[in-house]
Amino acid sequence: EPEVTQTPSHQVTQMGQEVILRCVPISNHLYFYWYRQILGQKVEFLVSFYNNEISEKSEIFDDQFSVERPDGSNFTLKIRSTKLEDSAMYFCASRTEGNTIYFGEGSWLTVV
Amino acid sequence: QQQVKQSPQSLIVQKGGISIINCAYENTAFDYFPWYQQFPGKGPALLIAIRPDVSEKKEGRFTISFNKSAKQFSLHIMDSQPGDSATYFCAASKGSARQLTFGSGTQLTVLP
Repeated sequence: EPEVTQTPSHQVTQMGQEVILRCVPISNHLYFYWYRQILGQKVEFLVSFYNNEISEKSEIFDDQFSVERPDGSNFTLKIRSTKLEDSAMYFCASRTEGNTIYFGEGSWLTVV
Repeated sequence: QQQVKQSPQSLIVQKGGISIINCAYENTAFDYFPWYQQFPGKGPALLIAIRPDVSEKKEGRFTISFNKSAKQFSLHIMDSQPGDSATYFCAASKGSARQLTFGSGTQLTVLP
């Protein structure tokens, strides 16, 4: 069964450093998302991406965050200058024209 | 208005029992209501979903009941099994981007 794949599975970074989280969405999907989940809390929407541009973003997705689809298969989330509160599990997700959103297994980011 | 409220926070059920998790929403623009199951260290996986023109949907042991006038929906897990022990999130989506707004999650434990 096709799946959303994410790398790295776990990354530890120093506060203030840049981090790039990578995702390969399911191949025929058109809509791409990043969500995050702080330990023990609910899953929160960050950003949606369609037709090579951001379609929606949440208040969390401030100027420190950016997304890119550099080569037609990868979808990346960049955090420019990480803060302690950015420590969370980051999920990439994708869907076709239908409603069902498929999630990857997540990238656990620890900022120290 | 964008919130989805979920209860209970945790639930313990004996094997073979019925697990019931409830959610309520405020925004009547929501038009798709999925339930996701999440195991520790994994991404959310779609379990079952419903649209507001249907009052009930059943898939195997899992049933969604939907009350449009009350703006509430619930997940019923019949004949609960220890393998059902996980965190369950209700969610809602709307609009063209269809990003999900998640409830706060219910940690279900099914005792053998």
